[in-house]
Amino acid sequence: GAVVSQHPSRVICKSGTSVKIECRSLDFQATTMFWYRQFPKKSLMLMATSNEGSKATYEQGVEKDKFLINHASLTLSTLTVTSAQPEDSSFYICSAKFFSRAYEQYFGPGTRLTVT
Amino acid sequence: AQKITQTQPGMFVQEKEAVTLDCTYDTSDPSYGLFWYKQPSSGEMIFLIYQGSYDQQNATEGRYSLNFQKARKSANLVISASQLGDSAMYFCAHGNQFYFGTGTSLTVIP
Repeated sequence: GAVVSQHPSRVICKSGTSVKIECRSLDFQATTMFWYRQFPKKSLMLMATSNEGSKATYEQGVEKDKFLINHASLTLSTLTVTSAQPEDSSFYICSAKFFSRAYEQYFGPGTRLTVT
Repeated sequence: AQKITQTQPGMFVQEKEAVTLDCTYDTSDPSYGLFWYKQPSSGEMIFLIYQGSYDQQNATEGRYSLNFQKARKSANLVISASQLGDSAMYFCAHGNQFYFGTGTSLTVIP
């Protein structure tokens, strides 16, 4: 199956710093990428939908200025957590899908962010 | 609004037995897809099975089958011959944006 990578897999940062998480589709061109957030033992919460070359669509309640999403190419989307705070600590997962196979979505392995 | 409901926060099943994980959904879309994913403790999301709303037959993938009842808006996952490695969180998801249910934690007992 298709492969989606995320980098870094784990990151620890201090409050007030910004952290960038990369999501790459390694063997296909992803027209759409999604970013999710997952709290321990909870479900995945969709944060935003990202289409290549256009602005991301954020879900209600997600701060656009806090979570900056850039989808610069068909194989790369980035999520930047700006001025990270301890409450931003979470598991962030990205996913990507083909245009031609719209029902299939491939998930990255996730990034665990800890803000101290 | 899209909504997915998984009413079983935790389930136990004896090894080699079958288990059904419940999922109901609410949608106004005329055409839609339903998905099940497995999430082991490592955190990765593993695709299990897909059902299209207009598919005539229930989807099957190896030991996984989907009991799709469109009128009831339910898409229950059936795992046959449970294995210890099946112990994980299971999520039902719906729609183009993949709105997820709250998940069911399955534990397979030896």
